[in-house]
Amino acid sequence: DAKTTQPNSMESNEEEPVHLPCNHSTISGTDYIHWYRQLPSQGPEYVIHGLTSNVNNRMASLAIAEDRKSSTLILHRATLRDAAVYYCILYNFGNEKLTFGTGTRLTIIP
Amino acid sequence: SQTIHQWPATLVQPVGSPLSLECTVEGTSNPNLYWYRQAAGRGLQLLFYSVGIGQISSEVPQNLSASRPQDRQFILSSKKLLLSDSGFYLCAWSFVTFNEKLFFGSGTQLSVL
Repeated sequence: DAKTTQPNSMESNEEEPVHLPCNHSTISGTDYIHWYRQLPSQGPEYVIHGLTSNVNNRMASLAIAEDRKSSTLILHRATLRDAAVYYCILYNFGNEKLTFGTGTRLTIIP
Repeated sequence: SQTIHQWPATLVQPVGSPLSLECTVEGTSNPNLYWYRQAAGRGLQLLFYSVGIGQISSEVPQNLSASRPQDRQFILSSKKLLLSDSGFYLCAWSFVTFNEKLFFGSGTQLSVL
């Protein structure tokens, strides 16, 4: 399976934008890029996903590099409730599963 | 709308005792079902997934097993728990179409003592 690399932790100030990077240099043409986040003592929550084009939803934006070897999750205006572990995952075409790495622990500073 | 129920929320079991965790999904038919485990401070490890009744795929060799006796019921079991089985167990489901997102339950915190 293709792997992803994320920083272990990041900090951001409240009400400022946050850019969470993810590298996936071995991504295949049929791999979708998914992002989930996990609050303490809870199950992960879906955030966003995309294939080639940038994507926006009510929670975040996903910017995908032209060569697809990296992507960035963008939280436009961080709040304290955005403090969580963020996982970048590749959904492998033909496989019925998602495999999670260790993610990025995001701390929001008031 | 669809909902996922997972219980119990917390469980403390002695080493060598059996385990049964149950997960049910409501509001959809023939979902894909998953069991994940998260050790303290670690990422999520996929344990089992199922694409239909009686169809179980195992990702990691271990003393755990899974069963899917009904379409929307997924059970995680062990005959004899080990200390290393401690962790946060999560059940999840997805629609049976390509690239669908996962919906997770609230998890079970298992402590084996």
